[in-house]
Amino acid sequence: DAGITQSPRHKVTETGTPVTLRCHQTENHRYMYWYRQDPGHGLRLIHYSYGVKDTDKGEVSDGYSVSRSKTEDFLLTLESATSSQTSVYFCATLAGPTDTQYFGPGTRLTVL
Amino acid sequence: AQSVTQPDIHITVSEGASLELRCNYSYGATPYLFWYVQSPGQGLQLLLKYFSGDTLVQGIKGFEAEFKRSQSSFNLRKPSVHWSDAAEYFCAVAPTSGTYKYIFGTGTRLKVLA
Repeated sequence: DAGITQSPRHKVTETGTPVTLRCHQTENHRYMYWYRQDPGHGLRLIHYSYGVKDTDKGEVSDGYSVSRSKTEDFLLTLESATSSQTSVYFCATLAGPTDTQYFGPGTRLTVL
Repeated sequence: AQSVTQPDIHITVSEGASLELRCNYSYGATPYLFWYVQSPGQGLQLLLKYFSGDTLVQGIKGFEAEFKRSQSSFNLRKPSVHWSDAAEYFCAVAPTSGTYKYIFGTGTRLKVLA
């Protein structure tokens, strides 16, 4: 693995509350990604980052925002959680284009 | 639109039998190609990847995949399946330049019978 940790690992929250998920890496990889995994949909990209303060949207970015103020940390925020955001969230990192994308252990989020 | 299709949602094979998991992609140009495996409750682990060159790629755990440009396919194979191979398998593509946004297929869940 590439020293990727995600916190929290599990979270239950209520509709309308803000939620922040954290991804931390120790390998100084340039690229970082947030995906959500849902049955029948595989992994879908939410946002990704190609450097500090440099981020871009993925295919399912509505309702999510991200921030990357340090190379090692990539935060995913649900401004006002909805039940449709109940999912397993994976962070991933990539050193460079021809390198291997490494995945974190995932965060299971339940929005009631 | 760019997409990855894994036509088989579930596959069941007997231990010792051969395995082929299908992956087709739709992309403007030949992308980078990947296969990942996910055991229950775990993150994804890279099995193999294709960037260029030899179209038959060897990976970990005895897996291989063949890139066929004419068919836009990147099928995963294993000659003899072990019970520990039971997992979900994902095919993915990424552009060779630019944004490095990965696109994943919806996955194929493999069940292995003893």
